[in-house]
Amino acid sequence: DAKTTQPPSMDCAEGRAANLPCNHSTISGNEYVYWYRQIHSQGPQYIIHGLKNNETNEMASLIITEDRKSSTLILPHATLRDTAVYYCIVRVTRAGANNLFFGTGTRLTVIP
Amino acid sequence: DSGVTQTPKHLITATGQRVTLRCSPRSGDLSVYWYQQSLDQGLQFLIQYYNGEERAKGNILERFSAQQFPDLHSELNLSSLELGDSALYFCASSLIPAGGPGEQFFGPGTRLTVL
Repeated sequence: DAKTTQPPSMDCAEGRAANLPCNHSTISGNEYVYWYRQIHSQGPQYIIHGLKNNETNEMASLIITEDRKSSTLILPHATLRDTAVYYCIVRVTRAGANNLFFGTGTRLTVIP
Repeated sequence: DSGVTQTPKHLITATGQRVTLRCSPRSGDLSVYWYQQSLDQGLQFLIQYYNGEERAKGNILERFSAQQFPDLHSELNLSSLELGDSALYFCASSLIPAGGPGEQFFGPGTRLTVL
């Protein structure tokens, strides 16, 4: 699986958009980009995933560059409850197994 | 609430002992995954089961074992416990093992403390 690079920490003002970058320059054509977050010591929570196209759901938007070497997770209106560690994971789904390999993530702090 | 349940929530035991962690996946999910999160190693994948069969293995120690039962619940057995086994242990489940992307739903975790 391709390696990802994320900034260790970021701050965002409450109500503003939080843009979390992820670099995955060695991604291959069949690898998906997943985003999960972990609030304090709770179980990680799935946010969104994508392959080539930009994706949006009720939680966030995922922007993937045309060359797929980087992506950005956007939380449109950050709230205090969005303070968490955000993990960008690149994963190829192999036959029978799609376990996740978590890196160190970005610790997002939403400031009132 | 992800729909994945784990018991117990907390477990305190002594070195050399054996413990069993239990996980019930979301209704309908056939795959179960176990992850370990320690302060120095982060979140690490241990093992995956699909419909009762082992499907993938990560950094799982030989002292650890797991199984998935016919009712799809899973147990993670940790034996000859060491201080370094103190960690949060998460179980996750998903509907499909592969063939397409799919999110995993994580349980609340079991916090194991080895004294």
